Amino acid sequence: QSALTQPASVSGSPGQSITISCTGTSSDVGVYTFVSWYQQHPGKAPKLMIYDVRNRPSGVSDRFSASKSGNTASLTISGLRAEDEADYYCSSYTSSRTLVFGGGTKVTVL
Amino acid sequence: QLQLQESGPGLVKPSETLSLTCTVSGGSISGTTYYWGWIRQPPGKGLEWIGSVYFRGSTYSNPSLKSRLTISVDTSKNQFSLKLTSVTAADSAVYYCARQSCGTDCYSGVGHFDYWGQGTLVTVSS
Repeated sequence: QSALTQPASVSGSPGQSITISCTGTSSDVGVYTFVSWYQQHPGKAPKLMIYDVRNRPSGVSDRFSASKSGNTASLTISGLRAEDEADYYCSSYTSSRTLVFGGGTKVTVL
Repeated sequence: QLQLQESGPGLVKPSETLSLTCTVSGGSISGTTYYWGWIRQPPGKGLEWIGSVYFRGSTYSNPSLKSRLTISVDTSKNQFSLKLTSVTAADSAVYYCARQSCGTDCYSGVGHFDYWGQGTLVTVSS
């Protein structure tokens, strides 16, 4: 199975908003609402930020929002902060009854 | 608070079998709204889903690993395990175990990973 496509890097200044895209196919992102997003700081385990396309787990800042259109899901970080600097991964369920991750996006706060 | 902890050898020889166990504490592995999954991350690279198991024993796995992979669950010990045979250097990675929440419609391996272990580095080398 092929990984979902994410940009390798995205950057922004503190206070700005950035958006990370996650492009799949009509066999995964395009057909299921089981899309999730994870944040990973260096040397740490990933942390769930968004599930089922747009839902935030308890404790996750409302500066993180997400959506989906067609085969592409998106994660938006508003009011960018230094602590948001991390790697971000999307994931989707697929029609093959598997899960697939994106290649990851490194977010840099300038 | 749910906690997951991976355990197993940090060094495995090529062609041998990689075996890891994840011990779940602070909650039961027998919950009907969860799968239990394994994810790995080669050094400097992205995440790769390995496979997931339901407490009743049904499994879903990455097709690229399926022929070498066994994932099992031991509800009496609140543990689940991973065995990967015929390993090569390409299997060197940090291996994470995680709880996969599937909500009220648990079917066919759906869900998201809401609790993770800290990860354990496994190196394949002679």
